[in-house]
Amino acid sequence: GENVGLHLPTLSVQEGDNSIINCAYSNSASDYFIWYKQESGKGPQFIIDIRSNMDKRQGQRVTVLLNKTVKHLSLQIAATQPGDSAVYFCAETYSNYQLIWGAGTKLIIKP
Amino acid sequence: DTGVSQDPRHKITKRGQNVTFRCDPISEHNRLYWYRQTLGQGPEFLTYFQNEAQLEKSRLLSDRFSAERPKGSFSTLEIQRTEQGDSAMYLCASGRAGQAEQYFGPGTRLTVT
Repeated sequence: GENVGLHLPTLSVQEGDNSIINCAYSNSASDYFIWYKQESGKGPQFIIDIRSNMDKRQGQRVTVLLNKTVKHLSLQIAATQPGDSAVYFCAETYSNYQLIWGAGTKLIIKP
Repeated sequence: DTGVSQDPRHKITKRGQNVTFRCDPISEHNRLYWYRQTLGQGPEFLTYFQNEAQLEKSRLLSDRFSAERPKGSFSTLEIQRTEQGDSAMYLCASGRAGQAEQYFGPGTRLTVT
């Protein structure tokens, strides 16, 4: 929603550079992970997902990496653009219905 | 536009009043979720439906909150006797049973004065 980025960790990246957003998840039983992008005043938008039997998945300009050993998830955005400015949330699920959300990271693109 | 829609987008109400929000999910989705989001936080799960059945309700949801999905399509979320602490963005999402992906609407921003 509006001002969703207040008090969140912030990552500032130069336009054109690659961005890496990290997330630590809580439940070793989680079997499915999703990255969402939330722009100011809007609901979260699905970006990419990954299942626990995978360690990497690629989409258009985005790559998600999963390290189950340390319960760590990352989102890599290639050639960051101004339109990538948003708050990014990771979410995990093991019950197939209830998403457990991470704290969110605010991505700022410097011109 | 065939995405999730919510109405109204903004609601300002006085403490003690009742409010009702509506969510229209993606038509082929049989699951519908309600979340609440406050500034700087991720969405907080409130409840979800599969078709018309309400299958889970968060322990955080007080008795002043009620949700319905009478025909398995649109859903309403009612808050009775609103309090200032209810001020938040209320998000609706829909998805398919057996799939964890959820697609969100734009939200209803509630301000209780």
